Amino acid sequence: AQSVTQLGSHVSVSEGALVLLRCNYSSSVPPYLFWYVQYPNQGLQLLLKYTTGATLVKGINGFEAEFKKSETSFHLTKPSAHMSDAAEYFCAVSGTGNQFYFGTGTSLTVIP
Amino acid sequence: NAGVTQTPKFRVLKTGQSMTLLCAQDMNHEYMYWYRQDPGMGLRLIHYSVGEGTTAKGEVPDGYNVSRLKKQNFLLGLESAAPSQTSVYFCASSYTPIDLLAGGPGNEQFFGPGTRLTVL
Repeated sequence: AQSVTQLGSHVSVSEGALVLLRCNYSSSVPPYLFWYVQYPNQGLQLLLKYTTGATLVKGINGFEAEFKKSETSFHLTKPSAHMSDAAEYFCAVSGTGNQFYFGTGTSLTVIP
Repeated sequence: NAGVTQTPKFRVLKTGQSMTLLCAQDMNHEYMYWYRQDPGMGLRLIHYSVGEGTTAKGEVPDGYNVSRLKKQNFLLGLESAAPSQTSVYFCASSYTPIDLLAGGPGNEQFFGPGTRLTVL
């Protein structure tokens, strides 16, 4: 079975500061891991994904995430926050059968 | 390509009324999903389909029915709406694991814009 835990339902950072959103997963099979972003009143958009290969994954808008098997983590980072990054972020894991399991989300606020 | 589309965008129902939400995708995806999103609970899977003519229950299927008569469409029905079904509903579609293993683009899910449903 798979599950995802996102630590911190709300994160606030200053504009220009480091963004760190935490995601831990559990999976009985090699996981596929994803980060999605949801802007207000919109659907979810894929930021980045890890399937196989390089453990440091780069996504859109300057975000990246590192798959750490030993820590069962897939934290999302961005070196310098921008006002446009304010949104809800969801971590998800997928295993066999193509079902996805989403975390409860982290709301990112960027303070000018 | 339009991607994944959902109709309607908004709907208000009275308790006991019925309605159908339509999801359509033009990416030839085999897999389609219906989720509901509630504050503090993330996305929860209602039903999903692994191909035309097939459906399966997800995490929270009670009070909902689905049909996949055509590959590109996935319908979500509420036979007798209840206030607990007030939520934002998202449809998604994806490639199959076979596509992934064959070197395809990966089994990411593509989401529609959502339907905001209020049940009074």
